[in-house]
Amino acid sequence: SAVISQKPSRDICQRGTSLTIQCQVDSQVTMMFWYRQQPGQSLTLIATANQGSEATYESGFVIDKFPISRPNLTFSTLTVSNMSPEDSSIYLCSVSIAGGAAEQFFGPGTRLTVL
Amino acid sequence: DQQVKQNSPSLSVQEGRISILNCDYTNSMFDYFLWYKKYPAEGPTFLISISSIKDKNEDGRFTVFLNKSAKHLSLHIVPSQPGDSAVYFCAASEVTDKLIFGTGTRLQVFP
Repeated sequence: SAVISQKPSRDICQRGTSLTIQCQVDSQVTMMFWYRQQPGQSLTLIATANQGSEATYESGFVIDKFPISRPNLTFSTLTVSNMSPEDSSIYLCSVSIAGGAAEQFFGPGTRLTVL
Repeated sequence: DQQVKQNSPSLSVQEGRISILNCDYTNSMFDYFLWYKKYPAEGPTFLISISSIKDKNEDGRFTVFLNKSAKHLSLHIVPSQPGDSAVYFCAASEVTDKLIFGTGTRLQVFP
């Protein structure tokens, strides 16, 4: 397994602003992912964070709204841009140790509230 | 289009009895299935998984059953303990592809 930390753990933001969420892993991992869990909903994959290249976004998510950085094999950031109340969610990063996307290990999440 | 479904949003079970959580999927290309447990204010924790080449996988009190013909899997917890009270998510993948999660089932184990 891996120990994953996220900052901040929670935040309350104003409409139209941006928030950058950090994800730090205690070991080098090949694959890192960003998910969103809206209230009462399932976890939805936003994108796969690729080291050294642009992230791979899922349908319905775009780079302008959710820019992602992955400068090395232990760290990634997700920015939620130009926020609206609909962006209020829990944002989680995850990593895959064994390769492939299965058996992912999750960080504690960042609870975002947009007013 | 919900490819992974957990039709029971909640389940209440007495301590010591068996908890059975169910999950259905629609994509026949899924070949790896996982269960995660999530406590409030924490990220999901991996619990147990099963490959499509098996129909059962057991780990201590937790057993996952897979019925490919019915596109159905279930998680059995026996005996259930109060510490098992959490939200349980099933997830499916095509091994090298992304995880698709169900909507979760909230399990409450009461004394």
